[in-house]
Amino acid sequence: DVKVTQSSRYLVKRTGEKVFLECVQDMDHENMFWYRQDPGLGLRLIYFSYDVKMKEKGDIPEGYSVSREKKERFSLILESASTNQTSMYLCAALTSGSSYEQYFGPGTRLTVT
Amino acid sequence: EDKVVQSPLSLVVHEGDTVTLNCSYEVTNFRSLLWYKQEKKAPTFLFMLTSSGIEKKSGRLSSILDKKELFSILNITATQTGDSAVYLCAVRVGGGSEKLVFGKGTKLTVNP
Repeated sequence: DVKVTQSSRYLVKRTGEKVFLECVQDMDHENMFWYRQDPGLGLRLIYFSYDVKMKEKGDIPEGYSVSREKKERFSLILESASTNQTSMYLCAALTSGSSYEQYFGPGTRLTVT
Repeated sequence: EDKVVQSPLSLVVHEGDTVTLNCSYEVTNFRSLLWYKQEKKAPTFLFMLTSSGIEKKSGRLSSILDKKELFSILNITATQTGDSAVYLCAVRVGGGSEKLVFGKGTKLTVNP
């Protein structure tokens, strides 16, 4: 069974802290994504990566960075957390091959106080 | 800019009703259109559509794509309270790198 896991389900951090959100997939998928989901705004793409060490900005990259040192792991970094980054963060993986499903992780609900 | 628009944004119906959810899109490099159901957790995959006019069915849910008019519909017949969820439409766009562009979702509430 395919799986995308995220390091934390719930996280509370203080303003100004550096925050790492980890995502691991066991499907050997090339493409990985970080989204945030907020009421009324839907899923918004922060960053994505189509290969190791490759990354592209999504729609709302400001205040975030990413790291993909290994194919199975894609990390989202908040360099200096702010209260407007309080959100649900979803990681996903997608293959470029014949399979078409984008598999989501369970999500991390981050609260920045 | 790639765009996916869903309507309505929310819908309240009674058990047994039939509902139709709409998704229209404007993208530069269409590959496929996907529907997801999201309850209180991550989205789960429902359908993927690539060809116009071919209906995909799964139980009481069905979906069809019109590539000429750039839209898709998701039908749910004989709704049940367990169908209450946010339904997300996403378009897979290709080109140099692949990604999904999501609509904002339709929140469906089915009352007993």
